[in-house]
Amino acid sequence: ILNVEQSPQSLHVQEGDSTNFTCSFPSSNFYALHWYRWETAKSPEALFVMTLNGDEKKKGRISATLNTKEGYSYLYIKGSQPEDSATYLCAFDASGTYKYIFGTGTRLKVLA
Amino acid sequence: SQTIHQWPATLVQPVGSPLSLECTVEGTSNPNLYWYRQAAGRGLQLLFYSVGIGQISSEVPQNLSASRPQDRQFILSSKKLLLSDSGFYLCAWSLGLYNEQFFGPGTRLTVL
Repeated sequence: ILNVEQSPQSLHVQEGDSTNFTCSFPSSNFYALHWYRWETAKSPEALFVMTLNGDEKKKGRISATLNTKEGYSYLYIKGSQPEDSATYLCAFDASGTYKYIFGTGTRLKVLA
Repeated sequence: SQTIHQWPATLVQPVGSPLSLECTVEGTSNPNLYWYRQAAGRGLQLLFYSVGIGQISSEVPQNLSASRPQDRQFILSSKKLLLSDSGFYLCAWSLGLYNEQFFGPGTRLTVL
């Protein structure tokens, strides 16, 4: 059984703080690692698709890194804002399949 | 551009009643289609996926079934709902090299 784990499960930060969280995934049969942002009462929104070891992606204040050899990805948020409050999901995409395995997510609350 | 529709948005059903949730995608051809469920306090669980008309793969044993009668239509059904079927159901589609998935607005199902 393939396991994708995210930590922490939840965290609260103050507005303006920078924060980061982790996604751990199997280091074999890697195809892609996806990050999604999921706001309450909305559907998950794609942030990044990461495919190569050492990949770094950035979108505004949010960035992500990828280490496929050791099986982890970090998501960073610089200068957190209340609108960043959401659940951040990672999804592991193994080679040869059409399906993801989602982590349980990190619930971020940014306090004004 | 592509859009994905799900209906109904919310549904309250008694135990033992049937279920039919519909998902349609516009603006693309031959997408991969997925049904996910998020039960209370848990992550996204893949229920079914389909790579073509009439082709359904089931991920977990359950009293739900899925069908794909047309290229861009994916239906989730049950003959008799259980209390444990309550949750938030998301449909998603993907196409392309890295299978980036795009989610519909979801259906919140409450079984009483």
